[in-house]
Amino acid sequence: DTGVSQNPRHKITKRGQNVTFRCDPISEHNRLYWYRQTLGQGPEFLTYFQNEAQLEKSRLLSDRFSAERPKGSFSTLEIQRTEQGDSAMYLCASSFGDTHYEQYFGPGTRLTVT
Amino acid sequence: AQKITQTQPGMFVQEKEAVTLDCTYDTSDPSYGLFWYKQPSSGEMIFLIYQGSYDQQNATEGRYSLNFQKARKSANLVISASQLGDSAMYFCAMREVSSNTGKLIFGQGTTLQVKP
Repeated sequence: DTGVSQNPRHKITKRGQNVTFRCDPISEHNRLYWYRQTLGQGPEFLTYFQNEAQLEKSRLLSDRFSAERPKGSFSTLEIQRTEQGDSAMYLCASSFGDTHYEQYFGPGTRLTVT
Repeated sequence: AQKITQTQPGMFVQEKEAVTLDCTYDTSDPSYGLFWYKQPSSGEMIFLIYQGSYDQQNATEGRYSLNFQKARKSANLVISASQLGDSAMYFCAMREVSSNTGKLIFGQGTTLQVKP
């Protein structure tokens, strides 16, 4: 049983560049979530999908951020025109069902904007 | 407003002893779930234990138990027989069920260090 995977694990980019991250959830999980975590803080919710439908977006998800899950399997998170404040760990999680089911997290993608 | 508060930035415990990590929450939703996650230095969030707001008994998972006091809105994590591998950051989180939101709200975390 493979867990949630994320690629790349680390990304260094210059301010103003676009970056894209990928998340592959656990295969039978229909829900997929994106969170952002800065140093010393708990994760903050960004968005989530049920199958291919994006059901909720946080106000943290500015118009520079876009997420997709085109076939209800893997998901991508793109950040356009990156800013230094975007530097953080981006975590992906997945779950099966929507009641009390726990979310399983991937290892994260650490973004550094220089 | 929904909120999770963890007031202990750091905790120390001697190996083999028990430790309690505090968590209080605030919500107006009568139906909610409470979660604890462990985040080692490697960065991956590891699910530990879940408590539903209508569960009559406190949740237990191996060495982990959740001391759920609904009237006080607290959901403390108890780790028994601490091991060196328990050294990590611990996060309390909540999900409101009635609003059908998918998001978890996390606290700021508690760093636990287990001393040999």
